[in-house]
Amino acid sequence: EADIYQTPRYLVIGTGKKITLECSQTMGHDKMYWYQQDPGMELHLIHYSYGVNSTEKGDLSSESTVSRIRTEHFPLTLESARPSHTSQYLCASTRLRGGEQFFGPGTRLTVL
Amino acid sequence: GENVEQHPSTLSVQEGDSAVIKCTYSDSASNYFPWYKQELGKRPQLIIDIRSNVGEKKDQRIAVTLNKTAKHFSLHITETQPEDSAVYFCAARLRGSTSGTYKYIFGTGTRLKVLA
Repeated sequence: EADIYQTPRYLVIGTGKKITLECSQTMGHDKMYWYQQDPGMELHLIHYSYGVNSTEKGDLSSESTVSRIRTEHFPLTLESARPSHTSQYLCASTRLRGGEQFFGPGTRLTVL
Repeated sequence: GENVEQHPSTLSVQEGDSAVIKCTYSDSASNYFPWYKQELGKRPQLIIDIRSNVGEKKDQRIAVTLNKTAKHFSLHITETQPEDSAVYFCAARLRGSTSGTYKYIFGTGTRLKVLA
């Protein structure tokens, strides 16, 4: 079944650790996005990509990096996790011409 | 800068009544406006959307209206039911930094509670 998958679903780590959040989609979409969302609050765009080897920064991009080596895969890396990074991270994708965004189930990150 | 304002932040209605949520966007180049519903602990899901060449769109109990001049769009839910209780987000699609790319700016969300 076509869907968006995120791993891990839950992660608790210590300050200073480097972590990578995985996102994969089997929907054949070209555009992919990462958002940060505190529970019930607005979504903040971190990074987005419109195709392989093409990425753009969002509003909260300064403390993370992304890569897009394969169309279906869009991992997000925090180089040095801090307690302020504690949040939920949502991955999303759309078709090339935009329109409806489909969201993954999210990764809930806690940094101690 | 680019932003989307959403009001109210919380809304309580009696079952069967109507609910209206309003959003205002800043970028006049925005041309696509989706609405997402997010239930507790779940991912956002699209419930309705509208493009800038249309003034109104309806899908059963849900409708969206767009006023391009005022840069304003609204979600209308009629005959509300307890299962409509959730957080609703509006969004506006903007052009990205590179030609052919798009990004989405979300509103701050409205927590709707339908009282049985």
